[in-house]
Amino acid sequence: AQKITQTQPGMFVQEKEAVTLDCTYDTSDPSYGLFWYKQPSSGEMIFLIYQGSYDQQNATEGRYSLNFQKARKSANLVISASQLGDSAMYFCAMSLLYTGRRALTFGSGTRLQVQP
Amino acid sequence: GAVVSQHPSWVICKSGTSVKIECRSLDFQATTMFWYRQFPKQSLMLMATSNEGSKATYEQGVEKDKFLINHASLTLSTLTVTSAHPEDSSFYICSARQAAKNTEAFFGQGTRLTVV
Repeated sequence: AQKITQTQPGMFVQEKEAVTLDCTYDTSDPSYGLFWYKQPSSGEMIFLIYQGSYDQQNATEGRYSLNFQKARKSANLVISASQLGDSAMYFCAMSLLYTGRRALTFGSGTRLQVQP
Repeated sequence: GAVVSQHPSWVICKSGTSVKIECRSLDFQATTMFWYRQFPKQSLMLMATSNEGSKATYEQGVEKDKFLINHASLTLSTLTVTSAHPEDSSFYICSARQAAKNTEAFFGQGTRLTVV
């Protein structure tokens, strides 16, 4: 079974600063994908970034980057130059790639608040 | 990018009645869709995997007779909450993934169900 752990229930960051949201995962399968989603108060799930277990480079998408440390089983999200609109819940998730279970398993989430 | 549309976005129903929630993939064929439930201040929990043309696969603890899932076409899955009770009040959200793409998982807008 897969497990995602997010140990930070809440985080504060000053506007324009960078922030790191922690995520560790556990799986015995070597083929998996890691996702980060943003969930504002409206409830929609906004895809941010993806990292495959075989990807050699850390994923980046604009202000978002994923610090992937495979040996430590961590996939931390880094948001650079925080904006007020970044205030939301952030979920780390994973799925297996080839064994048929393609549903996402989610962590408990981190609530990020960006302060002016 | 691919879009998943979920309807309705919110619904209030009386205890004992049934409610149907639709999830459509608008620009791709989804042989598999996923239904999640999210209680306030909690994470998304997988309820069931909806397979086109066959029976849904339910997660442990989810009553299949209460949460009826139908996936009659490659673009539409429905979740019917039968004989709803106040404890069924929650945020229900569907997801769809394209068969050949591991890097993406798209979510509908979610449905906030309140049973009174």
